[in-house]
Amino acid sequence: GAGVSQSPRYKVAKRGQDVALRCDPISGHVSLFWYQQALGQGPEFLTYFQNEAQLDKSGLPSDRFFAERPEGSVSTLKIQRTQQEDSAVYLCASSPGTTPSYEQYFGPGTRLTVT
Amino acid sequence: AQKVTQAQTEISVVEKEDVTLDCVYETRDTTYYLFWYKQPPSGELVFLIRRNSFDEQNEISGRYSWNFQKSTSSFNFTITASQVVDSAVYFCALPSSFNDYKLSFGAGTTVTVRA
Repeated sequence: GAGVSQSPRYKVAKRGQDVALRCDPISGHVSLFWYQQALGQGPEFLTYFQNEAQLDKSGLPSDRFFAERPEGSVSTLKIQRTQQEDSAVYLCASSPGTTPSYEQYFGPGTRLTVT
Repeated sequence: AQKVTQAQTEISVVEKEDVTLDCVYETRDTTYYLFWYKQPPSGELVFLIRRNSFDEQNEISGRYSWNFQKSTSSFNFTITASQVVDSAVYFCALPSSFNDYKLSFGAGTTVTVRA
């Protein structure tokens, strides 16, 4: 079956531009996560959705970052007024359950480069 | 706070050699899960194993094996008879708490298997 897909795979933005990153989770998965992965580092949690509800956004680095999942399936991570420090790979993951006992299935990521 | 340490940044081996990746964790929970993920050059994190802290038995899956030592807070991963396709970054991860879904990842270990 289809896994988690993300688009675009690569995005180059000029500093100050807004970007929108899309995640299509595995069909039927309740939980959706966004992580940010800097070069040479492990992924870091950004935000979590359970269906359409954003239950945790504690990892969002600033109010320039905004995520939504309006119908409980596709999610979009939006970054306003991009800065160079936003350059990273943004990973989306989905999970069929709502507890840590369920593994998270990751997409290929979107590599954002801010110039 | 939960913390995962992967002290080895890079490991390079020749094909058919065994390679062991170290993972040391810190947690305030008495019950917890531990995960290993593989990130090949394509970028997508691939789930390898989930271990519940109740279960201290070692696990073997094909050429992969895991050694969980609760007494030393370690969850090490061994690839036996390594192959070029094993070249990837490997991450150990731990949920932020037993009932939490946020994964805290180590910095990862890059494994390069040379033919």
